[in-house]
Amino acid sequence: GIQVEQSPPDLILQEGANSTLRCNFSDSVNNLQWFHQNPWGQLINLFYIPSGTKQNGRLSATTVATERYSLLYISSSQTTDSGVYFCAVCGSGGYQKVTFGTGTKLQVIP
Amino acid sequence: EPEVTQTPSHQVTQMGQEVILRCVPISNHLYFYWYRQILGQKVEFLVSFYNNEISEKSEIFDDQFSVERPDGSNFTLKIRSTKLEDSAMYFCASVALTATYEQYFGPGTRLTVT
Repeated sequence: GIQVEQSPPDLILQEGANSTLRCNFSDSVNNLQWFHQNPWGQLINLFYIPSGTKQNGRLSATTVATERYSLLYISSSQTTDSGVYFCAVCGSGGYQKVTFGTGTKLQVIP
Repeated sequence: EPEVTQTPSHQVTQMGQEVILRCVPISNHLYFYWYRQILGQKVEFLVSFYNNEISEKSEIFDDQFSVERPDGSNFTLKIRSTKLEDSAMYFCASVALTATYEQYFGPGTRLTVT
């Protein structure tokens, strides 16, 4: 099956700093989503981005499908950005399951 | 905005008991999924369901698990005889049959088996 790797596994930032999270995947995809898992365990959908670039406030994401990677940018980080960020992909060929990466655990300190 | 809902948010059960986790997918969605996340680990696929039958299942989804869409709105996951290792967060997701493949996830049910 498709493999998903995320880096870095852990990240500690000072409030106000910027960061880039990376997701590499091993095969063609028709779906790539970024999630933020909050302290209560809920998966908050950040972006649906199988290709191209999207922005939402301080967050933006870019997927380069031909090179099989996606980047999530967090600018001017806040303590509420803390949590685990997951990338999840769905292989091409219909409505398949999504495969999650192992996540990046982000801690933003005041 | 429409959303996937799940009940209960937290369930505590004794080993060997049966549990049913409930999900209400978004109303015009036709593909449904269950995933689980053991504490501290990544989210894993359990099963997908379309047109009233299982379309794919993982090796985790053994005979202890079953899924059902008993009416036009609910989608359930049943665990017949719970084990300690079934303790996890269970997420339901749904997809519309459109040009996108975005999966919409519910808030999860935290299952604790004692």
